[in-house]
Amino acid sequence: KNEVEQSPQNLTAQEGEFITINCSYSVGISALHWLQQHPGGGIVSLFMLSSGKKKHGRLIATINIQEKHSSLHITASHPRDSAVYICAVPFSGGGADGLTFGKGTHLIIQP
Amino acid sequence: DAGVIQSPRHEVTEMGQEVTLRCKPISGHNSLFWYRQTMMRGLELLIYFNNNVPIDDSGMPEDRFSAKMPNASFSTLKIQPSEPRDSAVYFCASSQTTDKQYFGPGTRLTVL
Repeated sequence: KNEVEQSPQNLTAQEGEFITINCSYSVGISALHWLQQHPGGGIVSLFMLSSGKKKHGRLIATINIQEKHSSLHITASHPRDSAVYICAVPFSGGGADGLTFGKGTHLIIQP
Repeated sequence: DAGVIQSPRHEVTEMGQEVTLRCKPISGHNSLFWYRQTMMRGLELLIYFNNNVPIDDSGMPEDRFSAKMPNASFSTLKIQPSEPRDSAVYFCASSQTTDKQYFGPGTRLTVL
């Protein structure tokens, strides 16, 4: 079973700051997922990536397969970015697996 | 598309009762996943199906839990008998094999 570690667990920042959340995992994978959980509880998939970098709006995700490490960046952070960000990888590394999750990073962006 | 549909959204029951949670995946998706979220353990995989076939149920806590997927558009997760420690939010998600997963809104289960 893959083990996932995320850091930091909690992060409070001021509006406009550049945010970085880190994720490391133990077993080689086909792809890594970044999820966002809103204060109301809903879970949204932000990115699924297997190499390099992906960008969507102010969000950027990178992955280094050799080092088993991924980062999620938020540029020009805004209070509406406040949420829990969760890194997840396939349970046993394969593409169609269920996911195993990090404990999440609770992000608060203050105005 | 309506997204992944789960019912009920909230369930309150008494210890010992049978609980059935339902999920309708996104049309055309061939993988379905059941997850559970608690404060103590975070999100955990319970079981997942590919093309209606259970692939890995090693996350199912014990024999009190069972899941079925009788067809491509419906799945159930049953707990019998329920216990207070089963209180959690249960999420269903679906995907097209190796694509990203789409999560339902969850069912908040409280067992008294």
